[in-house]
Amino acid sequence: NAGVTQTPKFQVLKTGQSMTLQCAQDMNHNSMYWYRQDPGMGLRLIYYSASEGTTDKGEVPNGYNVSRLNKREFSLRLESAAPSQTSVYFCASSEFQPQHFGDGTRLSIL
Amino acid sequence: GQQVMQIPQYQHVQEGEDFTTYCNSSTTLSNIQWYKQRPGGHPVFLIQLVKSGEVKKQKRLTFQFGEAKKNSSLHITATQTTDVGTYFCAGPWNAGGTSYGKLTFGQGTILTVHP
Repeated sequence: NAGVTQTPKFQVLKTGQSMTLQCAQDMNHNSMYWYRQDPGMGLRLIYYSASEGTTDKGEVPNGYNVSRLNKREFSLRLESAAPSQTSVYFCASSEFQPQHFGDGTRLSIL
Repeated sequence: GQQVMQIPQYQHVQEGEDFTTYCNSSTTLSNIQWYKQRPGGHPVFLIQLVKSGEVKKQKRLTFQFGEAKKNSSLHITATQTTDVGTYFCAGPWNAGGTSYGKLTFGQGTILTVHP
């Protein structure tokens, strides 16, 4: 039972490069979320998707885009990576509550 | 906007000592959730409290929801090394519109247990 799967687990980028973080869930949940976690800041919501075909901004959306490809998959794209985007990124899914998290992607921007 | 504050940010205890983390919201919450994140891991749901003044227990963990539904606490009795991690509280998003299950997380309390 995989739950929420994120790829890749680790990534190092140079400033200005682009990349897409992938997330897939197998729990048939409608809602999916992308968070970033920085020391002392808790989990901050970047974007969320209430259902297939809909996305909306969270608390810290600048510099990111998302795609809800289908009910299972929700991707996060960094078009032009900046050092301030160095963080741990978590994807989560839920059918209201609670949220189920993936293992995270540790992203470093040099 | 809505804020969920947690204190303390760090807590170091000797194994066997008790531990408490406190969570305060700037707005009234319909419910509050607690999550635990082990070092290097991902947040895992522990419990949800819904009723004013509610108290729930999970073995050595006691969770309380305040009468005004704006604060909550997690108390661990006789900590063990397996309790190490970051404990987060989270309340439903309250920044306008429908929450659709969105949460606002506190900053977390990092618990270290010395054997």
